[in-house]
Amino acid sequence: DTAVSQTPKYLVTQMGNDKSIKCEQNLGHDTMYWYKQDSKKFLKIMFSYNNKELIINETVPNRFSPKSPDKAHLNLHINSLELGDSAVYFCASSQPRRSGNTIYFGEGSWLTVV
Amino acid sequence: AQTVTQSQPEMSVQEAETVTLSCTYDTSESDYYLFWYKQPPSRQMILVIRQEAYKQQNATENRFSVNFQKAAKSFSLKISDSQLGDAAMYFCALMNYGGSQGNLIFGKGTKLSVKP
Repeated sequence: DTAVSQTPKYLVTQMGNDKSIKCEQNLGHDTMYWYKQDSKKFLKIMFSYNNKELIINETVPNRFSPKSPDKAHLNLHINSLELGDSAVYFCASSQPRRSGNTIYFGEGSWLTVV
Repeated sequence: AQTVTQSQPEMSVQEAETVTLSCTYDTSESDYYLFWYKQPPSRQMILVIRQEAYKQQNATENRFSVNFQKAAKSFSLKISDSQLGDAAMYFCALMNYGGSQGNLIFGKGTKLSVKP
């Protein structure tokens, strides 16, 4: 009954590889997000999609490409991984103007680039 | 620019006691939401409590309550009857009502330890 689920939970990969993290929400929300938590535990938004349309795209390298096949899914693809991409990536969702705009997070995907 | 500041990197409390975590923020908007999220070692982000800026009444959720001072732009979290399971990182966050959807601005967090 997980509301926001993302896979994989842990991912160790070499520099230069391409990897994807998948996210699905079963809350019926229109809006989904990717957040990044760095090694100092600082959280920052990367992308926001509303009904499959990109709403927010913060200053993220274009090696990061979100893909939303439908409003319940928002996947994150990362090309040419670098050491600095090591972080915990959180998928999240919300229904703006309902539930006080509360954002519900997945469990996080811990990416380590070696 | 919107900012959220948590001035206490670490706090400690004795089990069953009360602790208050501080948060101040800055925004030019009049309508916004404030949140406290808890992140245990498992890294999952768990919503603790939410406050709408237009509501004067302080939000409460069981042992958790906030002291929302809009004029002072302060949003502190009080945890009563602290339990061992409360040990975690706590993040204060701000979201403007009419702004970019979902752009939660987080503070740097406060690590709370609970002593038995």
